[in-house]
Amino acid sequence: DGGITQSPKYLFRKEGQNVTLSCEQNLNHDAMYWYRQDPGQGLRLIYYSQIVNDFQKGDIAEGYSVSREKKESFPLTVTSAQKNPTAFYLCASSNREGGNQPQHFGDGTRLSIL
Amino acid sequence: RKEVEQDPGPFNVPEGATVAFNCTYSNSASQSFFWYRQDCRKEPKLLMSVYSSGNEDGRFTAQLNRASQYISLLIRDSKLSDSATYLCVVRLNSGYSTLTFGKGTMLLVSP
Repeated sequence: DGGITQSPKYLFRKEGQNVTLSCEQNLNHDAMYWYRQDPGQGLRLIYYSQIVNDFQKGDIAEGYSVSREKKESFPLTVTSAQKNPTAFYLCASSNREGGNQPQHFGDGTRLSIL
Repeated sequence: RKEVEQDPGPFNVPEGATVAFNCTYSNSASQSFFWYRQDCRKEPKLLMSVYSSGNEDGRFTAQLNRASQYISLLIRDSKLSDSATYLCVVRLNSGYSTLTFGKGTMLLVSP
């Protein structure tokens, strides 16, 4: 089945540790996105990528890093510089930018601090 | 002013009721509009796109008023399974075309 796979489902980070969240899609979508959702809050954009080997900062990129070496994959690293990493992280993809193309989401990763 | 504003609710309605949600957006250049549904502790799922002339999908009707920068979602004959948070989502299509999400409106449908 086509879709977006995020792993792990739950992740715990120790103080000073970097952790990487995986996002893989087999929808052949060009664009991929990372969002963060805090309780009672809307989704906030962390990073996005419209094409392989290129990505742009979203609204809250500080303390995060990404790579886009393959079309199917867009991993997110939460670095130790992100002081409040506890949140629900959602990866999304879309067929192409522009037009009335919606984004489709993976089922998310919940990150907590140990 | 917030970019996409929604009444957080919750809206408590009995089964079979009709309920309407509203959403306002601040950027008049916004071009694409969507309603997503998010169940508790789950990912958002696309409910429907919103077209300029308004559109319907079964029990769901979406309307867009560009002059007032206002989007609505009407749910008829509410089911228990409609209980969820409904997210209003807007996109600018002028180069910077990422999505802006409202915080959502919670709907609780009771027997």
